[in-house]
Order: sequence, then C-alpha cells, then structure tokens
Amino acid sequence: AQKVTQAQTEISVVEKEDVTLDCVYETRDTTYYLFWYKQPPSGELVFLIRRNSFDEQNEISGRYSWNFQKSTSSFNFTITASQVVDSAVYFCALSEATDYKLSFGAGTTVTVRA
Amino acid sequence: DAGVTQSPTHLIKTRGQQVTLRCSPKSGHDTVSWYQQALGQGPQFIFQYYEEEERQRGNFPDRFSGHQFPNYSSELNVNALLLGDSALYLCASSLSFGTGRETQYFGPGTRLLVL
Repeated sequence: AQKVTQAQTEISVVEKEDVTLDCVYETRDTTYYLFWYKQPPSGELVFLIRRNSFDEQNEISGRYSWNFQKSTSSFNFTITASQVVDSAVYFCALSEATDYKLSFGAGTTVTVRA
Repeated sequence: DAGVTQSPTHLIKTRGQQVTLRCSPKSGHDTVSWYQQALGQGPQFIFQYYEEEERQRGNFPDRFSGHQFPNYSSELNVNALLLGDSALYLCASSLSFGTGRETQYFGPGTRLLVL
C-alpha cells in the first residue's frame, strides 16, 4: 500500500526566509507520480508541482523548487523568500501508475509572519 | 477558463438524513474524483467516476454513492448521515489518459456539518 509521511506538522517563519517542507513516501510501483498542493484557509486545494518517478531532474519554478531523491524516497519542497500569502497547509501526495487515486500526507501548516 | 465548481458551499444536516453534493469539472476534463477531508487531516479518496461509471473506490461504506452525468458533472450522495461524516468534501477533475499520471485539480469544497 502506498503511504505518504509529512513529519513536520507546523513551521513558522518570518517573511523572506526560505521554507523547506519534507515528504517521504512508500510505494512498491516503479512508476509513480508525486505532487504538492497548497490549501489556504479558504479550503481549496491548489496544485503546485508534480514530478514523475522516471524523471529525477530537480527544477525551480519561480519561488518554488523541489528536491526528488528516489534513493531515499523523498520529495522535498522549498519556498524561497517566503511571503505572508504563502501561509497555508501544504500537502504532499502520491499516485501510482496502477492506481487512480491520490494518497495524501497529513499536511504541514506554514505560517509566514510579517 | 472555468475551474472546478462545487455546490453548495456549506451544508448543515442532522443524523440519519441524506445529502447530495454537486460538482462541475474543469472545462475539457472528463474524470471526477471525490475526497473527504476531516478537520486537521489530509484528504481521503472516496471514489472516481469516468464515462459515467465508478472506476475506483476507496475505503468508504456503501452509504457513500455517486453518479456522473453525460456532461461529466458529478454528484456525491451520502445516506444515513453520521456525526463522523462531518468534513470538507472535495471534488477533483482530470483528463483521463490512464492510471495515475493525470494531475487532479480541486474545487473549493463543500463543508458538511452533521448535528
């Protein structure tokens, strides 16, 4: 069974600091897909990034970057120069190639103080 | 380009009642998934509909049922409501190319409170 663990429950930073969110996953599939979603207080889950298991190149998109390490089953996400609007709950999710569902971690609450 | 829409936004019911939640997918999407998110937890997969059929189901009792219409919109029905059904119900849509690889886009959710 697939499983996603987000060990950090809450992170609090001051504006302009970098924030790194940890995600560790378990799967038996060799092909799978990893996602990060953001959930502001309004409740809507907003898609941020995805990574396919067969592509280990790490990328940067604006203030977001991610570090995918298949050897340690980790998919960490970094927000550079955080802003107050980044305050939200962030979820890591996994989908296997043999499956249709997303399996989510418990989420990490990020609070950015001005 | 309209995103995923859900109705109603909030709902209050009493134990034993039945509820119907509605979802319209993002333009061009043909697949709808439903998730339940209890307070302080990550979303849990209920089921997914494609071509008007339930394609996959999570660990939810038969009290939870759904439907997909020819225009790809979907309904989630919950019968015999329990206090534990109080949650945020999220609908997600995607374009189906196959298992797992599609990105799911979520709606704003329906907050259900069962008293």
